[in-house]
Amino acid sequence: GQNIDQPTEMTATEGAIVQINCTYQTSGFNGLFWYQQHAGEAPTFLSYNVLDGLEEKGRFSSFLSRSKGYSYLLLKELQMKDSASYLCAVRDQQAGTALIFGKGTTLSVSS
Amino acid sequence: NAGVTQTPKFRILKIGQSMTLQCTQDMNHNYMYWYRQDPGMGLKLIYYSVGAGITDKGEVPNGYNVSRSTTEDFPLRLELAAPSQTSVYFCASSHTAGGETQYFGPGTRLLVL
Repeated sequence: GQNIDQPTEMTATEGAIVQINCTYQTSGFNGLFWYQQHAGEAPTFLSYNVLDGLEEKGRFSSFLSRSKGYSYLLLKELQMKDSASYLCAVRDQQAGTALIFGKGTTLSVSS
Repeated sequence: NAGVTQTPKFRILKIGQSMTLQCTQDMNHNYMYWYRQDPGMGLKLIYYSVGAGITDKGEVPNGYNVSRSTTEDFPLRLELAAPSQTSVYFCASSHTAGGETQYFGPGTRLLVL
């Protein structure tokens, strides 16, 4: 089966750096996605990892270790607008083309 | 280019009523998906389609039906609404099944009383 774990809530202050961890168990790993979802809105794509290592995209970076079943999303120079839920999702070959989502991590950024 | 559109945005249903949630994409994507999101939970896959005329069940298909007669449209049908179907429903699409992201519609908020 599939299982994805991430912390429920995190808090941080403006300008800080925060790391959101995600661990997963799948039988046919085929890529990991991070999405951002503001309250009452649809998820929007942040990053994609299929090979081990770090992917950097502006203030956001995502890391993957397939052997450990582990990923993290790193947010730098936090801004108030970064307050949102961050969803870790895994594509499992046995689940077809769809994504298996974690419950999400709600990040609150304060001034 | 509107992307993925969903209608209605919000609906209240009585137990036992039926309704169809509409989803349309104008990106010529082959793959389309329906997810539901309950409060504090991640998205769970209801049904998906890999092309016109082809659909398959996801993790939570009971109580729902879908059809895919065209590339653009992927409606979700609730036949006998139950309170457990109170949720936010998101439609998504992608061009391929690989690394390309899925694009999400704005969601339909459904309340079953």
